[in-house]
Amino acid sequence: GAGVSQSPSNKVTEKGKDVELRCDPISGHTALYWYRQSLGQGLEFLIYFQGNSAPDKSGLPSDRFSAERTGGSVSTLTIQRTQQEDSAVYLCASSEGWRLGANEKLFFGSGTQLSVL
Amino acid sequence: QKEVEQNSGPLSVPEGAIASLNCTYSDRGSQSFFWYRQYSGKSPELIMSIYSNGDKEDGRFTAQLNKASQYVSLLIRDSQPSDSATYLCAVNARGTYKYIFGTGTRLKVLA
Repeated sequence: GAGVSQSPSNKVTEKGKDVELRCDPISGHTALYWYRQSLGQGLEFLIYFQGNSAPDKSGLPSDRFSAERTGGSVSTLTIQRTQQEDSAVYLCASSEGWRLGANEKLFFGSGTQLSVL
Repeated sequence: QKEVEQNSGPLSVPEGAIASLNCTYSDRGSQSFFWYRQYSGKSPELIMSIYSNGDKEDGRFTAQLNKASQYVSLLIRDSQPSDSATYLCAVNARGTYKYIFGTGTRLKVLA
């Protein structure tokens, strides 16, 4: 696609429910990233994918968080048993993924605003 | 110690002045450094990247890198009210595609 697409743009859920957030990267981009941004805060790294594999899951806050990527394209971030502290904007980004350390530019989606009541 | 540190601000400068934004990082092996701009309610967008020690200029923006001091900065010349945003410093972890972001510095350019 023309840009990174995320859905839904807004999600309101009740504490304890599971949610799924979707990211559709730019076509051809092999690297995909998930970040979380709480109000007034910077970007907190969650996980990144190179193709379908996730070399670094170190940022996932707890085992309630999981992510997968299929076909080297769409990724889903799942949060189980949501808590109020999970409320944040979840940003997805993609990059070409073949110029390690060089002109590797991250393109961000518009984010999903998650509110846990 | 945070991996990437920035002063949260706000940094207020008058229109036409030079805005100086600073960032320090902890991983001495980091190799790529980026400045992203984020307007309120919007997603970050890349404005500068730098890989070698020294200065890199692009229009009104200059990125400066000092690997010995583990310090990267962004200068904005002739600041405009439209430059008012949060500026995020990002560092590429050695040998990976992992990008660590600072908490950002909020810049306010006063007309």
